[in-house]
Amino acid sequence: DAGITQSPRHKVTETGTPVTLRCHQTENHRYMYWYRQDPGHGLRLIHYSYGVKDTDKGEVSDGYSVSRSKTEDFLLTLESATSSQTSVYFCAIKILGIPEAFFGQGTRLTVV
Amino acid sequence: AQRVTQPEKLLSVFKGAPVELKCNYSYSGSPELFWYVQYSRQRLQLLLRHISRESIKGFTADLNKGETSFHLKKPFAQEEDSAMYYCALSPNSGYALNFGKGTSLLVTP
Repeated sequence: DAGITQSPRHKVTETGTPVTLRCHQTENHRYMYWYRQDPGHGLRLIHYSYGVKDTDKGEVSDGYSVSRSKTEDFLLTLESATSSQTSVYFCAIKILGIPEAFFGQGTRLTVV
Repeated sequence: AQRVTQPEKLLSVFKGAPVELKCNYSYSGSPELFWYVQYSRQRLQLLLRHISRESIKGFTADLNKGETSFHLKKPFAQEEDSAMYYCALSPNSGYALNFGKGTSLLVTP
């Protein structure tokens, strides 16, 4: 599992509330990514990071922000959750010199 | 722009039958291509990468640059192959993977 832990694993929240998802890795890898997985859409990139305080937007970044103050943690924040953000969120890392990505277990978020 | 297309949302085959999951891509350079598998509600796992040309769990995939395809094949499907399969592309090692929409494979007895 490349030492990737996502928390929480499941969350139900109300529309309009802020939510923060955490991705933690134990190996100090530079490259970290947040994806959302939805039926019919596959996985879509939300934000990514190439190092501490080095983040950028992906394909579906509206309504999301990220922070990376430490190498091991990449946080995804929904400032004001909406029902359209109900999804499964996956964190991934890439290891320098290895082309593929390694994924966390996912966080299932339901916005009611 | 880079794009990955998996034309089949669902593919249903009988146990022991051959299976082919299609993947086409568009990218102007020489991308790195992958197949990932996701068993029910689990994390995505790498199944194959085109650069290694290996066979995993009986699956193979050949990169056809002329047709810009990277189809996944297995000669004899097993029930435990039932899962979601994603084709993915990356311009190079440092970049994020771009995924297709996935194909759900169902192998019935």
